[in-house]
Amino acid sequence: GAVVSQHPSRVICKSGTSVKIECRSLDFQATTMFWYRQFPKKSLMLMATSNEGSKATYEQGVEKDKFLINHASLTLSTLTVTSAHPEDSSFYICSAASSTEETQYFGPGTRLLVL
Amino acid sequence: AQSVSQHNHHVILSEAASLELGCNYSYGGTVNLFWYVQYPGQHLQLLLKYFSGDPLVKGIKGFEAEFIKSKFSFNLRKPSVQWSDTAEYFCAVNARNTGGFKTIFGAGTRLFVKA
Repeated sequence: GAVVSQHPSRVICKSGTSVKIECRSLDFQATTMFWYRQFPKKSLMLMATSNEGSKATYEQGVEKDKFLINHASLTLSTLTVTSAHPEDSSFYICSAASSTEETQYFGPGTRLLVL
Repeated sequence: AQSVSQHNHHVILSEAASLELGCNYSYGGTVNLFWYVQYPGQHLQLLLKYFSGDPLVKGIKGFEAEFIKSKFSFNLRKPSVQWSDTAEYFCAVNARNTGGFKTIFGAGTRLFVKA
């Protein structure tokens, strides 16, 4: 099956710094990538949808200036958490889908801890 | 509003017991339906999906799900569970929109299978 990687798998940073998370589709071209946030014992919350070469579409309540998403190529999307605060600590998951099917393939997630 | 409801948050079964996890969705348009599984320490994986055709779909590891359009349901079943089925199961619906699609996840059901 299709493989999606995320880097880093976990990151600890100081409050006020920015953190970049990469999401790569390794063996297919991902025209659409999704970014989710998963809270403990809760479901996945969609943060934004990004189509290659276009601006991301953010869900209601998600600050686009805080969570910068770039999808510059068909195999790479990045999420940058700017000026991170402890409340941004969470598990961030990306997924990717090709233009030919709506099935999403998920990355392993990135655990962010902001001190 | 679009939503996905999973009936049980936690399920505990003994090995060889039968499993049925309920899932209902709320969306009036065209939908594609999915069940994803997240094993402990692993990322989300596709278990099965329904796009069209036979409403009874078979997935990996002996799982199946039945789409009942009149009930807006897509329940997951397995006749005989194994200890290795211990995981969290997410029902998801792709709701089509003009820009493509958006995935709505249920809250998840944690299944624990006793050996």
